[in-house]
Order: sequence, then C-alpha cells, then structure tokens
Amino acid sequence: DAKTTQPNSMESNEEEPVHLPCNHSTISGTDYIHWYRQLPSQGPEYVIHGLTSNVNNRMASLAIAEDRKSSTLILHRATLRDAAVYYCILRDSISNFGNEKLTFGTGTRLTIIP
Amino acid sequence: ETGVTQTPRHLVMGMTNKKSLKCEQHLGHNAMYWYKQSAKKPLELMFVYSLEERVENNSVPSRFSPECPNSSHLFLHLHTLQPEDSALYLCASSQDHAGQGGTGELFFGEGSRLTVL
Repeated sequence: DAKTTQPNSMESNEEEPVHLPCNHSTISGTDYIHWYRQLPSQGPEYVIHGLTSNVNNRMASLAIAEDRKSSTLILHRATLRDAAVYYCILRDSISNFGNEKLTFGTGTRLTIIP
Repeated sequence: ETGVTQTPRHLVMGMTNKKSLKCEQHLGHNAMYWYKQSAKKPLELMFVYSLEERVENNSVPSRFSPECPNSSHLFLHLHTLQPEDSALYLCASSQDHAGQGGTGELFFGEGSRLTVL
C-alpha cells in the first residue's frame, strides 16, 4: 500500500515561510500527491496537488522530489489563519477508489506563533 | 450556498435510536464519500459512491447503512450504535474522470458531530 508519513507537529513564526514535509517512498507512477488542511471545527479543504513537476497556486507551492518519494508543501508567508492540520495523501490516477489511496494519515499540526 | 452541505451539524442519540445523516452537494460531482473522524485518530474512509453505485466499503459495521439516491445526495442511516461510534462524520464529493481518477480534488462538508449515549 502506498502510504505517507509526516511529522506530528511543527511550529512557525507568523509571516515566515513554512516547509511541511511528506514522505511517500512506496509511491507508484500513477499516484498524484494531494495536500489538504483541516482548520479547527471544519472539514478538510483542498490545498494543492501534483504529479511530477512543482506546482504553485494562490494558497501554496508544492515541491516534488525528482524520485517522487517525498514532497514539501510550502506556505510562503504563514499567517495565524494557516494554523491547521495538514494532510498529505496519494490518489491513483487510474483507479480512483483504491482504499489506501483515499486514506488520510494523522497529518502535521501546524502552530503559528504570533 | 456552500458546495457540500451536511445536516444535522450535531446529533445526540441513544443506542436504540434510528437516525440518519444527510449530505448534499451542489457542485455537479459524480462521486461522494463518507469519512469518520474520531478524536485523535486519522480520517477513516467508510463508503465511496461513484455514479450512485457503491464502489468501496471498508468493512464498516452493518449498523451504518449508506444510501445514494442520486448524484447530489448521500445518506448515512444509523441504528443500534455504540458509544465508540461517537465521532465527526464527514461527507465529501469529487468530480472524477475515467482514467484520470486522481485528479479530482475532494470537497468536504463541515461534518455532523455524533454523540451516542
């Protein structure tokens, strides 16, 4: 099963960049890397996803290692509103409904220090 | 109107009650999901429906019974629950294309907080 591992928690100062790592050493060639975050008392929300190339959107950037065995979510300038649990998951581009591919781990709890 | 709406937001029920959770998506998506989130545990996938047909059931106890009458609505019928079933139940939807399954981002509702006494 392709699984991901993330640090349990991280802290960052407000207005500084944050790099959230994710290891997925058993990733397959058809797996997309997705990131979600869950703010307190809310459901998870999509942040970004990618396959091989680095990706940027208005929320964050995703840096994918050349061997695809790890990736890093980058928040360029953290604000207090970015305090959340961040999840890295893999989704198969061929078969969308493989059980393990829609499994969220425990994620990384990001604390922002004012 | 938000993309994925769940009702009720909070539910308290006894072990002998029968209740239902409702999820409605206004995004035109073709897949819907039920997840369970217990305290200090990862989100657990319970059920997946694609084009109104169930394609995934992660060995969920029969006291949880899903229903997907159309692509916009998803129900979770609850009966004879146990206190350990108390959790946040999250509904999600996605638009997935044949051969491009992994590209559909999941849109989650805010969840239904269930307490079983």
